[in-house]
Amino acid sequence: GENVEQHPSTLSVQEGDSAVIKCTYSDSASNYFPWYKQELGKGPQLIIDIRSNVGEKKDQRIAVTLNKTAKHFSLHITETQPEDSAVYFCAASRGGNYQLIWGAGTKLIIKP
Amino acid sequence: EADIYQTPRYLVIGTGKKITLECSQTMGHDKMYWYQQDPGMELHLIHYSYGVNSTEKGDLSSESTVSRIRTEHFPLTLESARPSHTSQYLCASSDGDGRSNIQYFGAGTRLSVL
Repeated sequence: GENVEQHPSTLSVQEGDSAVIKCTYSDSASNYFPWYKQELGKGPQLIIDIRSNVGEKKDQRIAVTLNKTAKHFSLHITETQPEDSAVYFCAASRGGNYQLIWGAGTKLIIKP
Repeated sequence: EADIYQTPRYLVIGTGKKITLECSQTMGHDKMYWYQQDPGMELHLIHYSYGVNSTEKGDLSSESTVSRIRTEHFPLTLESARPSHTSQYLCASSDGDGRSNIQYFGAGTRLSVL
């Protein structure tokens, strides 16, 4: 069936360094790829998204890249700060409907 | 800021009790979803609705049921709670009008069944 693989499951980086989280999807019909951040005790919140007709999108310290041929997309966070510590989820649209296929999540730890 | 609300935030209940988790949104979204999530782990879709009087089961089999009588309200009910139902339940909504698939989430209900 359709799935989204997300790596790594845990990522620890020094404050100020960059963090990269990678996802691979299987549904060729997927055309929308959001990234969500979930802080402790809260629901996931959208931080950036990209559509299949775009290869890269940037919003301040956050960027997402998409390689449709390889079915890969990645989240890049530069100049990491303590408030970036959270669990990050990637997702891909399920072709033909409004549902999302979710990755398993990455726990990002920013070391001071 | 998303306007989607879940109550209660925390619920501890005994086995065999009937419970209803409430979810309401004020954005006028047609699409609503219920996910089950162990803290910090993967989200599993258990129910979704594309409009009033429309409900479907998701990927993860669940003993819960849902209803969608009003656009803004999407309650989830467990007729007889069991310890295996202990989890976090997240409600989400989206407009899904073709321009955007963004799902907006509530803060979740953390359920513990003793």
